Parts: sequence; structure tokens; C-alpha cells
Amino acid sequence: GAVVSQHPSWVICKSGTSVKIECRSLDFQATTMFWYRQFPKQSLMLMATSNEGSKATYEQGVEKDKFLINHASLTLSTLTVTSAHPEDSSFYICSPGGGRFTDTQYFGPGTRLTVL
Amino acid sequence: AQTVTQSQPEMSVQEAETVTLSCTYDTSESDYYLFWYKQPPSRQMILVIRQEAYKQQNATENRFSVNFQKAAKSFSLKISDSQLGDAAMYFCAYSLPRGGSEKLVFGKGTKLTVNP
Repeated sequence: GAVVSQHPSWVICKSGTSVKIECRSLDFQATTMFWYRQFPKQSLMLMATSNEGSKATYEQGVEKDKFLINHASLTLSTLTVTSAHPEDSSFYICSPGGGRFTDTQYFGPGTRLTVL
Repeated sequence: AQTVTQSQPEMSVQEAETVTLSCTYDTSESDYYLFWYKQPPSRQMILVIRQEAYKQQNATENRFSVNFQKAAKSFSLKISDSQLGDAAMYFCAYSLPRGGSEKLVFGKGTKLTVNP
């Protein structure tokens, strides 16, 4: 399968600050990037989909101005949580897709965000 | 809209025995992919098995096999010779073809406990 990294793995921040999460596909070029959010004991919910070099498409109910996604290269995508609030505390998971992995999505290890 | 339903929030099995996790889905498409992902306590999503809807033969991966019933829109996962390391959350997921570039729709998950 694909090798995917996320950084940081865990971040604690104060309310009102912004946090950037990086996702890297280490062994293939990802033409598509999916960002998911998972609350405790719940399933994964898709937040947005981005294609390299173009703007992200956000799922209904996800604020695009709050969750900024950049997919500037085929190996790196970033998710920035702007002006974070305690309700943004969650587990964020990226999933690069496309490239040589056209049939299956593989996932990053996730980032746990805690907003105080 | 496509939906995925896992009706068993929790299941348990004795080590070395067999357990079956249930999944049903709803779609009007004739071609699609189905997946089972495992999420251990580390929260890393791990692909267990994949099934293409156009294939009649059930997918198998070592101790893991599926029972794919397309007409019934059912996709159950059988784990044989259960091991302690199989304990995890299991998510059933659906995507349109080109599952690496299409968003996944997840069920709510089944928590599997393996008793020694």
C-alpha cells in the first residue's frame, strides 16, 4: 500500500489560534486528496476533496473559510484550521488518492487536535 | 445518496474462532467498490479487503474473506482463526469506481473484541 505521513501527530492549541496539518504521500504522486474528521467513537466524515493545483470542494456543512486546504503539489497537502475553537477538537485524517493507486484509498496516521 | 449501514455496534469473539461482521449498503449504481477497513487503538486506518462490484467471486485475504451479495446489497466480513491483534474498530465503506480517486462513504463501525 501507499506510505502516507501526517504532521503533527498531536497538537494542543489555545482557542482563537490557527493550526496547520501537513499530509505527505511519500511513495506516489497523489492527484487527489481527501480530508476526513473523526470525533471520538464515531466514524470518519469527509470534510473536503482537493485536486492538485485546484481549489478544494467542501462537503455540506463544512466551513471553507475555517478549514483551509492547500494541495499545491502531488506529494503535499495542508489543512489549516483557522481561529480554532474547542468544538474543532477532533482527529483529522488525510487520504491521498489517484496516481498509481486508482482503486484504493490509503490513509495517513491522523492528527489529534485539542483546542483549549 | 449512497449509504452504508453496520448494524452491529459491538461484537466479540474467542481467540481462534470465527466471527462475521455485517454491512449493508444502498446505491443505485451498478459498478462500485466496497471496502473493509480496520482501525486499531492507534487509529491508523488499515485496508483489510476490497471488492469490486462487477466481480462475482468473493474477495479473500488470508484469514479475511467477504460474502458479497450484490442483489441484497450485503457485504459481510468473515474473520477466521481470530487473533488478539484483530481487536479493533472495523468500518465498511463504499465508493464509486476508481476507489482511489472517489470519496468513501463509511458505515458507523463495529467494535470487535477478541477474548483470550
